[in-house]
Amino acid sequence: GIQVEQSPPDLILQEGANSTLRCNFSDSVNNLQWFHQNPWGQLINLFYIPSGTKQNGRLSATTVATERYSLLYISSSQTTDSGVYFCAVEPASGGSNYKLTFGKGTLLTVNP
Amino acid sequence: DSGVTQTPKHLITATGQRVTLRCSPRSGDLSVYWYQQSLDQGLQFLIQYYNGEERAKGNILERFSAQQFPDLHSELNLSSLELGDSALYFCASSARLAEQFFGPGTRLTVL
Repeated sequence: GIQVEQSPPDLILQEGANSTLRCNFSDSVNNLQWFHQNPWGQLINLFYIPSGTKQNGRLSATTVATERYSLLYISSSQTTDSGVYFCAVEPASGGSNYKLTFGKGTLLTVNP
Repeated sequence: DSGVTQTPKHLITATGQRVTLRCSPRSGDLSVYWYQQSLDQGLQFLIQYYNGEERAKGNILERFSAQQFPDLHSELNLSSLELGDSALYFCASSARLAEQFFGPGTRLTVL
């Protein structure tokens, strides 16, 4: 099946710093989503971005589908940004189902 | 709030028991997915239903089963529970060819 690799596995920042999280995937995808899992376990949708660039406040994401990677940018980080960031993809070869394959995530800690 | 609801939030039970997890998708979404998040396996797809029919299976054990009812809510049944089944179980829903939205999850603890 498709492989999803996220880097770095862990990241520690001071409040106000910027960061870039990367997601590499091994095959063509129909769907790519970024999620934030907060300390309470909730998975929060950040971006639905199979290709192109999107921005939402301090967060933005870019997916270069032809090169099989996506980047999540966090600017002016806040302590509430702490948690695990997951990239998940739906392979293009999956037929008519839309199951997501998740990476192992990046654990982000933002210190005050 | 994603619009996907799951009950119960927490469930504590003993080995060998059977439990049922419930999910209500977002209004209008026909697809329901179940995922399991455990420390050793990460987030893994279990099963998908579309408008009442099973559409895809992932790493779902034979002791687990699911169904989607005519009102589109779904239930995941876990039987003969083992310690290793302790995990966070998520339900997600989507409209066709669209992003998936996840519920708050059910945290299952098997003692």
